[in-house]
Amino acid sequence: EPEVTQTPSHQVTQMGQEVILRCVPISNHLYFYWYRQILGQKVEFLVSFYNNEISEKSEIFDDQFSVERPDGSNFTLKIRSTKLEDSAMYFCASSVEAGAHYEQYFGPGTRLTVT
Amino acid sequence: AQSVAQPEDQVNVAEGNPLTVKCTYSVSGNPYLFWYVQYPNRGLQFLLKYITGDNLVKGSYGFEAEFNKSQTSFHLKKPSALVSDSALYFCAVRENTGFQKLVFGTGTRLLVSP
Repeated sequence: EPEVTQTPSHQVTQMGQEVILRCVPISNHLYFYWYRQILGQKVEFLVSFYNNEISEKSEIFDDQFSVERPDGSNFTLKIRSTKLEDSAMYFCASSVEAGAHYEQYFGPGTRLTVT
Repeated sequence: AQSVAQPEDQVNVAEGNPLTVKCTYSVSGNPYLFWYVQYPNRGLQFLLKYITGDNLVKGSYGFEAEFNKSQTSFHLKKPSALVSDSALYFCAVRENTGFQKLVFGTGTRLLVSP
């Protein structure tokens, strides 16, 4: 069964450094998402992406964040200058369509630790 | 704004007994409701969804959920719990207008004892 994959599984970085989190969505999916889960808290939406454009973003997704689909398979989340509070599990998700009744399929997550 | 509440941080049940994990929602329009499960060090796995139609929805691993519009609830149920069902369960909602984001509850940890 096709799966969303994410690399790395764990990333440790120093405050102020740039990080890029990588995702490979399911191949026939067209809509891509990033969510994050701070330890012990709920999963929060960051951004959705379709047709090489951001279609929706949350207030968390400020100018320090960016997303890109650099080729036909990868979907990346970049944090330009990491802060301690960016430490979280970051989940990528994809869905075949954008309609609200289509479920999103999640990757295993990247645990980002900012020191 | 749409929101979801999961009133229980943890639910404890003995193996073989029925289980219920509670979820209530708030949306301005008609809701699309989802349950996801998260096992340790794993991503979120889709269990089931309610879109329209029958209020009782059946999903993966023997789970089902009952949509109750008057009570704005979407409780997850299973007739006979397994130890392997122990995990973190998230309820999520989307409105049927607008776009895409899922709004999650805070999660309920299910602990099934042998």
